[in-house]
Amino acid sequence: EVQLVQSGAEVKKPGESLKISCKGSGYSFTNYWIGWVRQMPGKGLEWMGIIYPGDSSTRNSPSFQGQVTLSADKSISTAYLQWSSLKASDTAMYYCVREVNSYFDSWGQGTLVTVSS
Amino acid sequence: QSALTQPPSASGSPGQSVTISCTGTSSDIGGYNYVSWYQQHPGKAPNLMIYEVTKRPSGVPDRFSGSKSGNTASLTVSGLQAEDEADYYCSSHAGRNNFVVFGGGTKLTVL
Repeated sequence: EVQLVQSGAEVKKPGESLKISCKGSGYSFTNYWIGWVRQMPGKGLEWMGIIYPGDSSTRNSPSFQGQVTLSADKSISTAYLQWSSLKASDTAMYYCVREVNSYFDSWGQGTLVTVSS
Repeated sequence: QSALTQPPSASGSPGQSVTISCTGTSSDIGGYNYVSWYQQHPGKAPNLMIYEVTKRPSGVPDRFSGSKSGNTASLTVSGLQAEDEADYYCSSHAGRNNFVVFGGGTKLTVL
């Protein structure tokens, strides 16, 4: 069974850094793109970008370019989403997803990030 | 403003059919057969319902069907059931740079 398990909820202050994780299991982690999707409180889904763990190639949405960093450690089947300086507007639920032909067939449970002073 | 346009709400009575539209452009929906639909219940992660316009993942009831005409895709839910009440999001491939775009979501209410 394909599973994506994300790290737990985070509460941070503006300006702090953060790295959240997504561990894949039940399939060949290096052969599928892993993406990240943001959902702000009460709002819709937004595609942030994807990474190919096999060679760490990335593609970022123009809306998030330069705002976040995607990375992956294929040795432990884990993808990461990282911020260097959080803003209050980064408060949201973040989902990791497995991508196949531009659709997402498996979703993590979500990581809630709260940024508040 | 979302890249794809969905109606904010839709409704139907149990047993009825309801269709949710998703309008894009020739750069996304109209240009590729890579439209997908996701169902999201409150407090839960989204779940894939339709992919590549018309295909259903295993485990998704055949009451759910997808179609596309030009720049507009549609999700039809037949034989509405109470558990179908949820938010539904469409998405489409949008080229190498934008890659994937979502609709704003439609809240489906089963009356």
